[in-house]
Amino acid sequence: EIVMTQSPATLSVSPGERATLSCRASQSVSSNLAWYQQKPGQAPRLLIYGASTRATGIPARFSGSGSGTEFTLTISSLQSEDFAVYYCQQYNNWWTFGQGTKVEIK
Amino acid sequence: EVQLVESGGGLVQPGGSLRLSCAASGFTFSSYAMHWVRQAPGKGLEYVSAISSNGGSTYYANSVKGRFTISRDNSKNTLYLQMGSLRAEDMAVYYCARANIVLMVDNGMDVWGQGTTVTVSS
Repeated sequence: EIVMTQSPATLSVSPGERATLSCRASQSVSSNLAWYQQKPGQAPRLLIYGASTRATGIPARFSGSGSGTEFTLTISSLQSEDFAVYYCQQYNNWWTFGQGTKVEIK
Repeated sequence: EVQLVESGGGLVQPGGSLRLSCAASGFTFSSYAMHWVRQAPGKGLEYVSAISSNGGSTYYANSVKGRFTISRDNSKNTLYLQMGSLRAEDMAVYYCARANIVLMVDNGMDVWGQGTTVTVSS
């Protein structure tokens, strides 16, 4: 099973600042990586797939990069609605999620 | 509107069984692979199971293999998860999700239901 490790566990950021979230795979997943956002009491929402392609309706301030084992989700200028938990997921070898990064208000 | 609605959650004793359903609407259900994902209270997302669009192929996480069965009825636009030998660690919100199909390839999950809660307790 491919293990996905996200860092940091919690990221404290001020509104308007840039947030950078990391995700590492225990073996190569090529570009078969997705990012999701989850707010309290809500289902996850697909943000990015194919490591860097924004899903339908996702604002341009969200961007993804990386391939192989190292991936990054960047939120260029945090808005109030972006404070949430973010998960990466590989789908190269079945499916597994990372443990999540909570983005909180600094 | 594309929508997934889960049902069937509830309280069950350890060792018991439960069947979850996920009703799909607003899209051609039979064209999409489907997934189940769960989230224990206060924890992260855990992948559970997948089924191909025609039901011919299935996948299970090791944690549920041999105890859970995924199935679908494309004539009823409904996905199922039959859960057996339930344990305390199976207690979670269970989400169904649609595969994000891009150029005929599964690329994550683009539509999610609101979840149904399974509580395992005596």
